[in-house]
Amino acid sequence: DGGITQSPKYLFRKEGQNVTLSCEQNLNHDAMYWYRQDPGQGLRLIYYSQIVNDFQKGDIAEGYSVSREKKESFPLTVTSAQKNPTAFYLCASSSGAVGPQHFGDGTRLSIL
Amino acid sequence: AQSVAQPEDQVNVAEGNPLTVKCTYSVSGNPYLFWYVQYPNRGLQFLLKYITGDNLVKGSYGFEAEFNKSQTSFHLKKPSALVSDSALYFCAVRDGNDYKLSFGAGTTVTVRA
Repeated sequence: DGGITQSPKYLFRKEGQNVTLSCEQNLNHDAMYWYRQDPGQGLRLIYYSQIVNDFQKGDIAEGYSVSREKKESFPLTVTSAQKNPTAFYLCASSSGAVGPQHFGDGTRLSIL
Repeated sequence: AQSVAQPEDQVNVAEGNPLTVKCTYSVSGNPYLFWYVQYPNRGLQFLLKYITGDNLVKGSYGFEAEFNKSQTSFHLKKPSALVSDSALYFCAVRDGNDYKLSFGAGTTVTVRA
């Protein structure tokens, strides 16, 4: 079945540590996205990529970094500069701008 | 700039009764509108979209939504709610061909048996 796989499902970060969240899709979609979800705030866009080797900042990019070396993969690194990283992180992909976004099942990041 | 408002944090209905979840939007260009549903600790599932054409859009699981340009609304409806429809619902808008999607804060729907 085609879909989006996020791993790990749960992740814990120590102070001063960078952590990387994985996102892989086999839908052959060009565009991929990372969102942060906090209770009562909906989803906020962190980064998005329209095509391989290109990505743009979203609304809350500070403290995060991404890469897009392959069409199928869009990993997100939460750096130590992100002072409030506890959240539910969702990855999505779409076929161009018009197509609906398809979501993975998320990674829940907590601070130790 | 684009934005979405979901004026109700919670909606409670009895099973078998009609369900409506409200959404209003603001965009500078042509709106592309979407509804998604989220179950606990899961990602979002796409329900339906409005791009152009008929103002009444039919989607998955018996849901439909009506686009109203003059009221800038895109309310989600289901004629007869099920207990299994209990979940968090998100409305989202995109301004034309912009890749960025803006989400509302979400509405928690509870359907009681």
